[in-house]
Amino acid sequence: GENVEQHPSTLSVQEGDSAVIKCTYSDSASNYFPWYKQELGKRPQLIIDIRSNVGEKKDQRIAVTLNKTAKHFSLHITETQPEDSAVYFCAASTALGGGSQGNLIFGKGTKLSVKP
Amino acid sequence: SQTIHQWPATLVQPVGSPLSLECTVEGTSNPNLYWYRQAAGRGLQLLFYSVGIGQISSEVPQNLSASRPQDRQFILSSKKLLLSDSGFYLCAWSVSTGTFDQPQHFGDGTRLSIL
Repeated sequence: GENVEQHPSTLSVQEGDSAVIKCTYSDSASNYFPWYKQELGKRPQLIIDIRSNVGEKKDQRIAVTLNKTAKHFSLHITETQPEDSAVYFCAASTALGGGSQGNLIFGKGTKLSVKP
Repeated sequence: SQTIHQWPATLVQPVGSPLSLECTVEGTSNPNLYWYRQAAGRGLQLLFYSVGIGQISSEVPQNLSASRPQDRQFILSSKKLLLSDSGFYLCAWSVSTGTFDQPQHFGDGTRLSIL
């Protein structure tokens, strides 16, 4: 089944710097890769996603890149702000599901701290 | 637009008591529905998912169960709670297209504490 590994587990940056979070996946059939942001005590919110027919996707200060050959994808946040502080989760899924039908396989999360 | 509601927001229950958490989705038909649990400071563990009324798939063996009595209603239950059932329970939905490569949208969650 699918396995998603996420690094680093914690990341601290200065306001204005860039932050990069990386995930690797094991199932070459995976074709959908969302990223979620979870603020303390809140629900995870989808911030960006990418499909396997695209190598990069941008939305303002957030971008995701996908390398299908190497089976890894990354979240890039530029010009970080204190409100970017949160836990970020990557996930992977195939059309038929991740490990079994019906699920996204999530990474263990990265706690991002942006210091003013 | 679609919305997802979960209740209650917080719950404190004694060990051995029953549990019922409810989730409803509005603005869409025949969604895929999911229950996740998140322990403090940890990742998301999928508990159950459903692709239709009465269709429940379990991902992890435990003392919890799920039911989908109506198209847009998903219920998480237990007959006897354990201390290890404490956590943040999240319901989610996704569009049903016959495939699972769709974004999942989460409810606000229920924080469950077992005493």
